[in-house]
Amino acid sequence: NAGVTQTPKFQVLKTGQSMTLQCAQDMNHEYMSWYRQDPGMGLRLIHYSVGAGITDQGEVPNGYNVSRSTTEDFPLRLLSAAPSQTSVYFCASSWRDGYGYTFGSGTRLTVV
Amino acid sequence: GQQVMQIPQYQHVQEGEDFTTYCNSSTTLSNIQWYKQRPGGHPVFLIQLVKSGEVKKQKRLTFQFGEAKKNSSLHITATQTTDVGTYFCAGPRDSSYKLIFGSGTRLLVRP
Repeated sequence: NAGVTQTPKFQVLKTGQSMTLQCAQDMNHEYMSWYRQDPGMGLRLIHYSVGAGITDQGEVPNGYNVSRSTTEDFPLRLLSAAPSQTSVYFCASSWRDGYGYTFGSGTRLTVV
Repeated sequence: GQQVMQIPQYQHVQEGEDFTTYCNSSTTLSNIQWYKQRPGGHPVFLIQLVKSGEVKKQKRLTFQFGEAKKNSSLHITATQTTDVGTYFCAGPRDSSYKLIFGSGTRLLVRP
């Protein structure tokens, strides 16, 4: 099992560009989430999903879109990149309520 | 809204000393999870506590959930250099699917 796979690992964007961060899991987990991690601010929830076709907003959803067409994939789209979106992005998945989350290795994004 | 606070922000200890980090929520939690993140790595799930007053141990790590289910602690006995990293607590907000993380406690261990 690969677990949670995130691509790319590193990305540099120019302000105003759009891109999609990919996340895939092969554990048949229902729950998936996207977090961003900034120095000194811990992990902040962007969007989450409780199953295919079901998504909802987290703490900091502005500037990001998600969709969940399959159980395996949960891509995160940056609509128009801004320097404030420079961060490390983690995708995570969990089997169900009451189980811990498995995290991907992260995408380090820099917006210039 | 619900906040999950952790103290201290940093802790620098000599190898062999004990370490404790505390997690406090502004609201009652149905459960609390603990994660460890090594420098440059990703968070790794350690444990979940569900019951009021629950205590769980993993080797040198002891986890407690408060009686009111609003606070939790992680205690490491006789730290080792392999314990270096940031320890996060996390609790559900509004629904069990929305997991909110504390700001973390960064542990540094002097060999």
